[in-house]
Amino acid sequence: KAGVTQTPRYLIKTRGQQVTLSCSPISGHRSVSWYQQTPGQGLQFLFEYFSETQRNKGNFPGRFSGRQFSNSRSEMNVSTLELGDSALYLCASSFSTGNNQETQYFGPGTRLLVL
Amino acid sequence: GENVEQHPSTLSVQEGDSAVIKCTYSDSASNYFPWYKQELGKRPQLIIDIRSNVGEKKDQRIAVTLNKTAKHFSLHITETQPEDSAVYFCAAPSGYGNKLVFGAGTILRVKS
Repeated sequence: KAGVTQTPRYLIKTRGQQVTLSCSPISGHRSVSWYQQTPGQGLQFLFEYFSETQRNKGNFPGRFSGRQFSNSRSEMNVSTLELGDSALYLCASSFSTGNNQETQYFGPGTRLLVL
Repeated sequence: GENVEQHPSTLSVQEGDSAVIKCTYSDSASNYFPWYKQELGKRPQLIIDIRSNVGEKKDQRIAVTLNKTAKHFSLHITETQPEDSAVYFCAAPSGYGNKLVFGAGTILRVKS
């Protein structure tokens, strides 16, 4: 099976702009989670989507949003970009039949630089 | 919510030695504990995980032990090799669904 893919891989934006990142999960996986990775804060959970519904949310401002489509592909959007949003954004997919934790497989990430 | 602490933050070992990384968690309801390895510029990759119904799990040179009473779990790498050099993250679930809370990471350097 093909792994988790993310586009674009690299992105440069300026403050105040908005950005949309895309994640295609492993075929058959219905859960997609998003994480932000920075040197200072490490890996932090943004949100999880399962069957097109947000199932869980981390402690990020409302400028961070996401959605999931019927084919399980997911997008996340960051509006009004700030310098501190510069990070590696990782998505992870899992099969997830219910509430039990399932193995999460990460994509290669999108590296966002905000100038 | 869940809080995960990971130690040490850096670890240098000689090739062939063993390496041990420890994590503690706060939520006694947590029942799944994965370990990820991230090489420079690469994605985190699952190397081993353990569920709370077992105390130890091994996969070749890698093992994970879990102590639910003390709420800590550890990664053990034996016969380390230069290709084991990477950042290792532990994690524990938090709340409903697939949310994972990660430790701060351990930079492992294996010197040849």
